[in-house]
Amino acid sequence: GESVGLHLPTLSVQEGDNSIINCAYSNSASDYFIWYKQESGKGPQFIIDIRSNMDKRQGQRVTVLLNKTVKHLSLQIAATQPGDSAVYFCAGNTFAGGTSYGKLTFGQGTILTVHP
Amino acid sequence: DTEVTQTPKHLVMGMTNKKSLKCEQHMGHRAMYWYKQKAKKPPELMFVYSYEKLSINESVPSRFSPECPNSSLLNLHLHALQPEDSALYLCASSQGFLFGRNQPQHFGDGTRLSIL
Repeated sequence: GESVGLHLPTLSVQEGDNSIINCAYSNSASDYFIWYKQESGKGPQFIIDIRSNMDKRQGQRVTVLLNKTVKHLSLQIAATQPGDSAVYFCAGNTFAGGTSYGKLTFGQGTILTVHP
Repeated sequence: DTEVTQTPKHLVMGMTNKKSLKCEQHMGHRAMYWYKQKAKKPPELMFVYSYEKLSINESVPSRFSPECPNSSLLNLHLHALQPEDSALYLCASSQGFLFGRNQPQHFGDGTRLSIL
């Protein structure tokens, strides 16, 4: 079955550094990938997404890279700030044919801690 | 602030109680989801509603009963729960596949459920 996993469970960085969070997926049928940020006591918050026909997408301070050859994606956060401290989940999405919904499979999550 | 609203934020109930969790979204999304999240784990899909019809039940025990009264509301009825059902219950919604591209799921902040 599908699995989406992360290489490292925790990441500690200094404020101002760039952060890179990695994720591997196993199901080639995943055609859409999402990164979520989850702060303590809150639900997952959408950060950025990427479709399988792309290899890079940039947002505000964030970049997602997708390497379909090795089934790997990463989230890069530029100039990391203390407010970026949270758990980050990648999720692979598969749409069933003819449906309006997607089925997400989450990775295990990476805890990002940013030190002032 | 999240556009998916969940109530209550916290719920403590005994194993013989009956209670309901509520979820509301006004983004016009036609797919709605229930997830269960244990501490330090990723969300796990429970149910998917598409156009107010149950589309996916991930082999969830019958003590959890979902209901979709209309396109904006999603309920989760709870009865005779077990202590291991204590978790954060998250609701999400999505537009699915729109204008030729995938759309992300948006999450509420969840209901923290404790079973005594």
